[in-house]
Parts: sequence; structure tokens; C-alpha cells
Amino acid sequence: KQEVTQIPAALSVPEGENLVLNCSFTDSAIYNLQWFRQDPGKGLTSLLLIQSSQREQTSGRLNASLDKSSGRSTLYIAASQPGDSATYLCAVRPISGNTGKLIFGQGTTLQVKP
Amino acid sequence: DTAVSQTPKYLVTQMGNDKSIKCEQNLGHDTMYWYKQDSKKFLKIMFSYNNKELIINETVPNRFSPKSPDKAHLNLHINSLELGDSAVYFCASSQASSGSSYNEQFFGPGTRLTVL
Repeated sequence: KQEVTQIPAALSVPEGENLVLNCSFTDSAIYNLQWFRQDPGKGLTSLLLIQSSQREQTSGRLNASLDKSSGRSTLYIAASQPGDSATYLCAVRPISGNTGKLIFGQGTTLQVKP
Repeated sequence: DTAVSQTPKYLVTQMGNDKSIKCEQNLGHDTMYWYKQDSKKFLKIMFSYNNKELIINETVPNRFSPKSPDKAHLNLHINSLELGDSAVYFCASSQASSGSSYNEQFFGPGTRLTVL
């Protein structure tokens, strides 16, 4: 059974710091991995999608890496800003069943202090 | 120009009532999903439809009945609401691609259901 874990559960950093959020999954048989951002009381915004054949994806100050064989992904945020404060969720799309569903981690709640 | 929309945004109702949540996507996707986010913010898949056909039912009570009139809409009807149904329900969509894979999944804004 696929399980996704995100560490740490919460993180508080001063503005300007570079930071790394971690995501691990137990079954490497995945199609892709997706990182989301969720603001309080809001929906999910897709940040990055990494296909299983890819090693990393970049969008602006965000860089996500994928090491499928070891079941790990990281989201790197450069030069953090108070506007980056949100909960970050990673989710994998398992190959098993080929249903397209996502399995989510519990999220990392990030606070960036001015 | 909203990609995935849900109505209503908030729903407050009494135990035992029946309610529906509507979802529409204008992305041209062929697959739609319902997820439930519990009080601990954990998101879990409930249902998935591909081209109006049910492909996932993740051991959800049969009080929950999804309906897909066309591939742009996936509605969720809940009978005999219980206190434990209180949660945020998210609709999402994606496009199945060649090679039996699925592309990026997009989420609606969520419907916060409170059962009193």
C-alpha cells in the first residue's frame, strides 16, 4: 500500500532563507509526483509536476527533485518570502490500478517571517 | 475563466438531511475526482470518473453517490448526512494521456460541509 510522508510537519523561517521540504513514498511504482500549495481556507494550487522519468522540474524560485528508486522528492524554495507562507502538499500518482488518483502526504505548513 | 468550479462554497445542514455539491471543469479533461479533506487536513480520494464512467470508489459509504451527466461535470450527492461527514470536499480533474498515464491534476476551491 502506497504511503506518502512529509517532513517536517511545520517549519518557520526568516524571510530570505533558502529551504527544503521533504516528501517520501513507500512504493516507487508511480507515474508522477505533484507538489501543491494550499492557503488557509483555500483550494490546492498545483506548483510542479514531475514525471517518473524526470529528475527535476523548476518554476521560478521553486525546484522539485525526484529520486524514484529511493522514494524521495524535495521541494526547494529559494529566497523565501512571507507570501510563500502556506501548506505544501506532495502527492504521488501510483501505477497500480491506473486510476489517475493521487495519494497525498500530510503536508508541511510553512511560515516565513518578515 | 475558472478552470474547476464547485458550488456551494459553504454548506451547513442538519444531520439526516440530503445535500448535493456540484462540480464543473472547463479544461476539456476526461477524468474527474472527488477528494475529502478531514479536520486534520488529510486529503483522500473518494471517487473518480473517466468519460462519465466510474473508475474509483474508495470504500466510501453508499450514502455518497456521485453522478456524471457529462465529462465536464461530476456532482456529489450525500444522503442521510452524519456528523462525521463534516469536512472539505474537493473536486479535481485531469486528462488521461497516451501510455496509460495521467497529466497534471487541477483542483476546485473546495466545499466546506458542516453537519450539525
